[in-house]
Amino acid sequence: NAGVTQTPKFQVLKTGQSMTLQCAQDMNHEYMSWYRQDPGMGLRLIHYSVGAGITDQGEVPNGYNVSRSTTEDFPLRLLSAAPSQTSVYFCASRADRTAGNTIYFGEGSWLTVV
Amino acid sequence: AQSVAQPEDQVNVAEGNPLTVKCTYSVSGNPYLFWYVQYPNRGLQFLLKYITGDNLVKGSYGFEAEFNKSQTSFHLKKPSALVSDSALYFCAVSRPDTGRRALTFGSGTRLQVQP
Repeated sequence: NAGVTQTPKFQVLKTGQSMTLQCAQDMNHEYMSWYRQDPGMGLRLIHYSVGAGITDQGEVPNGYNVSRSTTEDFPLRLLSAAPSQTSVYFCASRADRTAGNTIYFGEGSWLTVV
Repeated sequence: AQSVAQPEDQVNVAEGNPLTVKCTYSVSGNPYLFWYVQYPNRGLQFLLKYITGDNLVKGSYGFEAEFNKSQTSFHLKKPSALVSDSALYFCAVSRPDTGRRALTFGSGTRLQVQP
């Protein structure tokens, strides 16, 4: 029962470096999304995808890129890391676009930018 | 105004006592409301949701929540708290005005259950 799998779990980056956070789900879910969690702010939506080949911006998209070449995978790219991107990142998926369906979260990726 | 508000940063309750974690929402149209729980260094786990129908929703681990349209609230409750319930709780809403494309989360409430 893998569900939503994120890697890496922990990462330290230097300012200006690039990296990709990986996310994979094995539930054949159409809808996938990335959130970031910051203290006292809950989770905020970065990018989302309603199916392979389709992506769109969320509340806080700046500094992040995504792509969705397959149903299973939804990587999040930081092109030039900044200290403001120090956060915990969660990937999530949902069966389809039906808003009442439950969203399932990965275990999180802790990113520190120094 | 925030879409969803959790007015308490922390709630403390003794084991065996009833617990309430408050959530109010401010969205137009019919909100879809959710509660999630987060244990330390873990992802969010789904507890329950209100979409339509009965205002009292029962969820995982003995939790329930009541949708109150007149008070725009969706408080999380449990009749008898356990120490293992200590965690961070998030209320979330799927907003109709954004096409319900994602969840908007409250800031979270830390529940501390004392033995």
